[in-house]
Amino acid sequence: QKEVEQNSGPLSVPEGAIASLNCTYSDRVSQSFFWYRQYSGKSPELIMSIYSNGDKEDGRFTAQLNKASQYVSLLIRDSQPSDSATYLCAVSTYGNKLVFGAGTILRVKS
Amino acid sequence: GAVVSQHPSRVICKSGTSVKIECRSLDFQATTMFWYRQFPKKSLMLMATSNEGSKATYEQGVEKDKFLINHASLTLSTLTVTSAHPEDSSFYICSAKTSGNGADTQYFGPGTRLTVL
Repeated sequence: QKEVEQNSGPLSVPEGAIASLNCTYSDRVSQSFFWYRQYSGKSPELIMSIYSNGDKEDGRFTAQLNKASQYVSLLIRDSQPSDSATYLCAVSTYGNKLVFGAGTILRVKS
Repeated sequence: GAVVSQHPSRVICKSGTSVKIECRSLDFQATTMFWYRQFPKKSLMLMATSNEGSKATYEQGVEKDKFLINHASLTLSTLTVTSAHPEDSSFYICSAKTSGNGADTQYFGPGTRLTVL
């Protein structure tokens, strides 16, 4: 069974710090990896997608992928209180349906 | 780009009635749409995959006769909850998959909160 594991948190970081969110996946042939942000009562919003090993940066967000270790992470630099949300890691294989992790709750304290 | 809408955003209905939820891709054509539901403090649960012009594929444990899905065009999929009961109360979210670069990226609609009395 394909699984995506995340620490449920909450992860608490002070404003301005770097938040590091981690995710592991079980299906070795997974091709595509996504990070979504979900505010309470709202639907998920795509933050980053990553397909190749290494880092991908977009503004304050950096996604890191290590296929050998089956590990994907999201770094949020200069964390803001508005970043407080649940972050969902999602994995797909050959363009098929997404498998979601349970999400990590992030709290940024001002 | 890649905007997905859902209607209605919130619905309250009596037990035994049917409720239809619409999902539209506003600025792109979506050959595949997905329907999820989410209970409080839980992650998304995929209910079914909807392909334009063909029957939906339901996940194990999801009753296809209860959750009717129609994907009549490349921009519209509908989910009908038939004979709704209080246990069907949930947050229903659709997503649409783009084509081309990043073809397996799913963009989510804003969700529909269903309350069955």
